[in-house]
Amino acid sequence: ETGVTQTPRHLVMGMTNKKSLKCEQHLGHNAMYWYKQSAKKPLELMFVYNFKEQTENNSVPSRFSPECPNSSHLFLHLHTLQPEDSALYLCASSLESNTGELFFGEGSRLTVL
Amino acid sequence: AQTVTQSQPEMSVQEAETVTLSCTYDTSESDYYLFWYKQPPSRQMILVIRQEAYKQQNATENRFSVNFQKAAKSFSLKISDSQLGDAAMYFCASQNFQGGSEKLVFGKGTKLTVNP
Repeated sequence: ETGVTQTPRHLVMGMTNKKSLKCEQHLGHNAMYWYKQSAKKPLELMFVYNFKEQTENNSVPSRFSPECPNSSHLFLHLHTLQPEDSALYLCASSLESNTGELFFGEGSRLTVL
Repeated sequence: AQTVTQSQPEMSVQEAETVTLSCTYDTSESDYYLFWYKQPPSRQMILVIRQEAYKQQNATENRFSVNFQKAAKSFSLKISDSQLGDAAMYFCASQNFQGGSEKLVFGKGTKLTVNP
């Protein structure tokens, strides 16, 4: 495995479900990110982790809960989501958090029914 | 606040021809970077090219080059000798280095179609 890997690639969940998205990077990077990508909208930064510590929470609702157990893994725990949360969730990593050179995963397509 | 505007939701080009994607940005900072990212269908987004604001010379990466007009806050991407594999969403992004936040701000993207 190389690069940034996200699982699952597709997820359908009801509004009362609890699910998690997983991201793993094999690049030796120290910073990891969650972005939300919706059609016809700019990418929205959700969370930034640098050396496992959260350094940015971009006013994300608490129904999204990130977890970063180490610099290689990042999770996004989902709970009681809304249909408007349906989107492509992208994970990215970078060597340091102050670089704009991000390496992205292929994304997890989330549909909330 | 930073903003990035891509005024062309969609563009098309004939294979082997040249196409230019537009991007304008707004920042009050003097130190910043600009980026173009490419997102092919169902594939991961990758960095195409990067420009440091303090550099006057336009960045170039093989068939990809930028036209950086700092005073006009314009950062267009030129793709020469377009190939079918260039078909993708292209996102312009800026990154400031003041104010304690170095996060990237993205535009809405331009969908590029390459016609054979």
